[in-house]
Amino acid sequence: KAGVTQTPRYLIKTRGQQVTLSCSPISGHRSVSWYQQTPGQGLQFLFEYFSETQRNKGNFPGRFSGRQFSNSRSEMNVSTLELGDSALYLCASSLVGPNTEAFFGQGTRLTVV
Amino acid sequence: TQLLEQSPQFLSIQEGENLTVYCNSSSVFSSLQWYRQEPGEGPVLLVTVVTGGEVKKLKRLTFQFGDARKDSSLHITAAQPGDTGLYLCAGARVGNQFYFGTGTSLTVIP
Repeated sequence: KAGVTQTPRYLIKTRGQQVTLSCSPISGHRSVSWYQQTPGQGLQFLFEYFSETQRNKGNFPGRFSGRQFSNSRSEMNVSTLELGDSALYLCASSLVGPNTEAFFGQGTRLTVV
Repeated sequence: TQLLEQSPQFLSIQEGENLTVYCNSSSVFSSLQWYRQEPGEGPVLLVTVVTGGEVKKLKRLTFQFGDARKDSSLHITAAQPGDTGLYLCAGARVGNQFYFGTGTSLTVIP
């Protein structure tokens, strides 16, 4: 069974540009969550999607957005990139229900220069 | 404010030593997960504990869930260099909301 796949693995962007990251969840997993990880802040929750709807949202500015498709694949977009957006972006998929577990992809390393 | 606090934040020990990492919260969780993460990679799920007081063993790793389901501990016996990494605990709540701890960076020196 394939794991969570994130593409691309690495990205270098210039300040002011926008970027789209992709996440394909484990087959059968309909919940997809996104996290930002930086050395100083640890793992910060961005948002969670289920059945193409955003159910939970973390405390990030509106420049961070996401969506989920009917096949459960998800994308997140960051517009008007800032230097502080440089981070490892992680996607996790999970089943819905009690005692569920989150399975992570390898992440996308975004560097903003 | 972090919902889950881990301690210690950093740990550097010699190969063969034992160690314990703590994950504490004032909130109740339906389950709690432990992950290990290596630099530049995503966290890998080690174990999930569900029942208050539950103890799970994974080779040299022992995980315990507090009776009140608010805290957990990870004990490693005879640490090896391959145990080096960032250990994260995560509490799960209804609605697929996962709350991650602050992380414990472990270095095992050969």
